[in-house]
Amino acid sequence: KAGVTQTPRYLIKTRGQQVTLSCSPISGHRSVSWYQQTPGQGLQFLFEYFSETQRNKGNFPGRFSGRQFSNSRSEMNVSTLELGDSALYLCASSFNGAYNEQFFGPGTRLTVL
Amino acid sequence: GIQVEQSPPDLILQEGANSTLRCNFSDSVNNLQWFHQNPWGQLINLFYIPSGTKQNGRLSATTVATERYSLLYISSSQTTDSGVYFCAIGGYQKVTFGIGTKLQVIP
Repeated sequence: KAGVTQTPRYLIKTRGQQVTLSCSPISGHRSVSWYQQTPGQGLQFLFEYFSETQRNKGNFPGRFSGRQFSNSRSEMNVSTLELGDSALYLCASSFNGAYNEQFFGPGTRLTVL
Repeated sequence: GIQVEQSPPDLILQEGANSTLRCNFSDSVNNLQWFHQNPWGQLINLFYIPSGTKQNGRLSATTVATERYSLLYISSSQTTDSGVYFCAIGGYQKVTFGIGTKLQVIP
């Protein structure tokens, strides 16, 4: 069974631009969660999507958004990028959400200049 | 929300030594996982262990849910064990991570 894939793996953007990251979960998994990892804040929950609906959201500004498609693939978008958005963005796949075992993708490393 | 505390924050071991990492949590849990984050950022699943004891090679884990802690044991450490170890708790609709234990195994 293929693991969780994330694209792209690396991104360099400038302040003010927007970016879209993609995550394909494990086949059969319906939940995709997104996390931001920075040296100062650790791993922070962004949001979770389940069956194309956002089920929960962390404490991030509205510039961070996401969606999920009918095949469970998910995208997250960050608009009006700020220097502080530089981070490793990780997505996690699970069958049914936080109560189930989570499997992580390799991450997308975003650098904002 | 649920609080997750990991200790120690940093650990340096000589190759071949044993170690115990601890995770304390503030509420009852339905899901507890241990991860190893390698130098490239990949989070690798070690254990899914909301309660009880599991072993996988040189690694084992024990969760005592009634006392709200989990332990990860690493025996005969190797340099490839270096990295950050995270405990993650699944609660209502989201997973909360501890700050991690940064392990360095020196030859």
